[in-house]
Amino acid sequence: KNQVEQSPQSLIILEGKNCTLQCNYTVSPFSNLRWYKQDTGRGPVSLTIMTFSENTKSNRRYTATLDADTKQSSLHITASQLSDSASYICVVLSGNTPLVFGKGTRLSVIA
Amino acid sequence: KAGVTQTPRYLIKTRGQQVTLSCSPISGHRSVSWYQQTPGQGLQFLFEYFSETQRNKGNFPGRFSGRQFSNSRSEMNVSTLELGDSALYLCASSPGTSSTGELFFGEGSRLTVL
Repeated sequence: KNQVEQSPQSLIILEGKNCTLQCNYTVSPFSNLRWYKQDTGRGPVSLTIMTFSENTKSNRRYTATLDADTKQSSLHITASQLSDSASYICVVLSGNTPLVFGKGTRLSVIA
Repeated sequence: KAGVTQTPRYLIKTRGQQVTLSCSPISGHRSVSWYQQTPGQGLQFLFEYFSETQRNKGNFPGRFSGRQFSNSRSEMNVSTLELGDSALYLCASSPGTSSTGELFFGEGSRLTVL
């Protein structure tokens, strides 16, 4: 069964600190992996899309990694800001089948 | 360029009623997909329409249906509402299909079933 597991479920960090969110998937065959940020009460916003051949991709203070062999991805947030408080959702695409979503990691950045 | 617009943003219904939600995609986008988001299950795919044709359907009962019009606007309908249908319903548009293109989400329609 195609599944996407994210950890931790929730995380609290101090402003200015770094953190790493994890995503493990069993989706096969693999097409691409996406990370979304969802602020409370808003729709998700795309952070990055990674294909099979991409190991690392950066978008401002967000760096995503992908290990297609171990079927793991991570999202590293550098120098966190209060505005980073949100849910981060990992999504995996397999061929032309519907996207498979993780349940997200709820990040809280506190002053 | 205007983003994805969903209406209504909030609505309250009672069990047994039916509801219709609307989604206007970004201009030029031909794909509209719908998702249900609940605290327990996270985001789950409902269906996707591309050029007025249903391209994919998630694992939801037949009470959930949708359609897409020639101007790419889409509607989804839920009949015989149940308490468990309470959720945030999100739609997303894409310039290609949801498989090939980036998804742009609307703010969602929050449905409460009493």
